[in-house]
Amino acid sequence: DGGITQSPKYLFRKEGQNVTLSCEQNLNHDAMYWYRQDPGQGLRLIYYSQIVNDFQKGDIAEGYSVSREKKESFPLTVTSAQKNPTAFYLCASYPGTVSSGANVLTFGAGSRLTVL
Amino acid sequence: LAKTTQPISMDSYEGQEVNITCSHNNIATNDYITWYQQFPSQGPRFIIQGYKTKVTNEVASLFIPADRKSSTLSLPRVSLSDTAVYYCLVDPNSNSGYALNFGKGTSLLVTP
Repeated sequence: DGGITQSPKYLFRKEGQNVTLSCEQNLNHDAMYWYRQDPGQGLRLIYYSQIVNDFQKGDIAEGYSVSREKKESFPLTVTSAQKNPTAFYLCASYPGTVSSGANVLTFGAGSRLTVL
Repeated sequence: LAKTTQPISMDSYEGQEVNITCSHNNIATNDYITWYQQFPSQGPRFIIQGYKTKVTNEVASLFIPADRKSSTLSLPRVSLSDTAVYYCLVDPNSNSGYALNFGKGTSLLVTP
């Protein structure tokens, strides 16, 4: 089945450590997105990428970094510069040019990061 | 992209019809309106998308007036399993790179 795989599902980190969240899609979608969700809050955009080797900052990019070396992969690194990284992180993909129907976001199951 | 405004929360009893309205005053000509449903600790999933008038699928209907400045998601005869957060998204439905920004969503609680 086509979809988006995020790993790990749960991650614990000590303060001052960088961590990388994985996001892989086999939908052949062009665009990929990272969102952060805090308890009881909506989705806030961190970074997005339309094509390989290109990405743009969202509203809350500070303290995060991304790469897009392959179409299928869009990993997110939470750096030690992120002041309050404990949150639920969601990755999504969006069809773009290959879509034959409605363009809608497909989300992964999420990664929950806890800083100890 | 147009910002969206939704009620923060709504309550309903099982079996009732629920209508959630989203305001998007600055919607552009080519924008679509897409609704997503999210359960706790899961990623949102697509419910319905529309451009104008009315769209219906097996789970919901979407009503969009002629001026397109708002839209209403209608859930017929809700059950306990419809308790979730619902987001509307103004979506250029394009292959160009856009920042797809969600609002805070509407938390729907369905009780017996």
